[in-house]
Amino acid sequence: AQTVTQSQPEMSVQEAETVTLSCTYDTSESNYYLFWYKQPPSRQMILVIRQEAYKQQNATENRFSVNFQKAAKSFSLKISDSQLGDTAMYFCAFMKHNYGGSQGNLIFGKGTKLSVKP
Amino acid sequence: DGGITQSPKYLFRKEGQNVTLSCEQNLNHDAMYWYRQDPGQGLRLIYYSQIVNDFQKGDIAEGYSVSREKKESFPLTVTSAQKNPTAFYLCASSKDRGKTGELFFGEGSRLTVL
Repeated sequence: AQTVTQSQPEMSVQEAETVTLSCTYDTSESNYYLFWYKQPPSRQMILVIRQEAYKQQNATENRFSVNFQKAAKSFSLKISDSQLGDTAMYFCAFMKHNYGGSQGNLIFGKGTKLSVKP
Repeated sequence: DGGITQSPKYLFRKEGQNVTLSCEQNLNHDAMYWYRQDPGQGLRLIYYSQIVNDFQKGDIAEGYSVSREKKESFPLTVTSAQKNPTAFYLCASSKDRGKTGELFFGEGSRLTVL
């Protein structure tokens, strides 16, 4: 069974600074997807970034980037130039790739609560 | 605007009562999901459906039931058999039967059992 671990329950960062959220996972699968989802205080969760395991290049989306270390089973999220609107719960998630078509069944970590301070 | 609508946002229930949470989407997505969120526990999958009239159990389906009679709708019933129903419930949908893993979430429903 796959597991996702986020070891930092809470973090804080000053506005405009950079912060890194950690995520490790355990799987015997060779092909899979990893995600970071953001849940702001309004509670509607949204996808931040997505990484396919077979791609060596780290995914980036504007101020958000990941450090994907497949051998170490590590998938950290870096937020650059932090903004007040980045304050949220951040969830790391794993989905195995089914060659007949993935089913979208994500396994989530317990989350990291990030506070961006002015 | 396209999106997912969950109702009600807050719901109180007495022990022994069934309650149904509504989830409607106008994104024309094939797949829909129900997750349960507890403090410090992340999200856990209850049920999912990839097409109309078909659904599958997730990791914590006991005490819950669903139906998928229309593409747009995926209601969740929390039955009296669910031992600890107080939680935050999130509905989600995805296109392409979830192949990309990108889920679109509703704003959630908070159920409290008195």
